[in-house]
Amino acid sequence: EAGVAQSPRYKIIEKRQSVAFWCNPISGHATLYWYQQILGQGPKLLIQFQNNGVVDDSQLPKDRFSAERLKGVDSTLKIQPAKLEDSAVYLCASSISGNSETQYFGPGTRLLVL
Amino acid sequence: DQQVKQNSPSLSVQEGRISILNCDYTNSMFDYFLWYKKYPAEGPTFLISISSIKDKNEDGRFTVFLNKSAKHLSLHIVPSQPGDSAVYFCAAKDFGNEKLTFGTGTRLTIIP
Repeated sequence: EAGVAQSPRYKIIEKRQSVAFWCNPISGHATLYWYQQILGQGPKLLIQFQNNGVVDDSQLPKDRFSAERLKGVDSTLKIQPAKLEDSAVYLCASSISGNSETQYFGPGTRLLVL
Repeated sequence: DQQVKQNSPSLSVQEGRISILNCDYTNSMFDYFLWYKKYPAEGPTFLISISSIKDKNEDGRFTVFLNKSAKHLSLHIVPSQPGDSAVYFCAAKDFGNEKLTFGTGTRLTIIP
C-alpha cells in the first residue's frame, strides 16, 4: 500500500514570495490533515478536510495561507506571501475517517524562507 | 498555551536498559493519548495509544501508563534497542474532537 506522498521535499524561497505544497493521501482515506512543525516544536494542525469539506481551519493564518481539496483526494497548501516565520516542515497526514489513532503522515516538505 | 508538555528535550539510555519518556497535560477534557515516533526526514509514525478509561496499555516492548489525577503519562520501552533512537511525540485529543495536540518531542538516543 502506497503511503502519503508529498512534494516538493524541500523548498527555499525569499520572503514575500509564494509557495505551494502538494499532498496525495493514502487511497480511500477520507480525512486529510495539514500540519506545521516549527523546529523544536510538535506538529500543529493547520487544517483538516473530510472529503472535500473543511472540518477545522481554526489555526490556519487565513490572511496568507490557503488550502484546497477540490475532488476529495489530493490537496494543495499555499502560502502567499511568505514570511520568515513560515520556515518549518509542512506535514500532510491522512486517515480513513477522522480516527486520529491511525493518522498516517507523509515525509513532509521542509520550507526555508530567507 | 502549551497543553501537552514534554519537559525533557533529550534522553540517552544504554542498549538493553529501560527508556522512560514522560508527558504532562493541562487540559482535563483530553480523553485519548497517543505516542508517535519520528525518524529524521520522515513523518511521525503511530506507536501506541491509551484511552482515559485505562491506566496501562502494552504492546510488545512498549507500555504506556496514564495517571489521570496527575495529568501525566509515560512511555516505557524495554529493552531499549538502537533502532529506538528517534524523536518521540506525545499527543492528546478530547472526546468528539479529532484534532490532535502534540507535545514538543523528546529525542531518545540508545547507546550501544
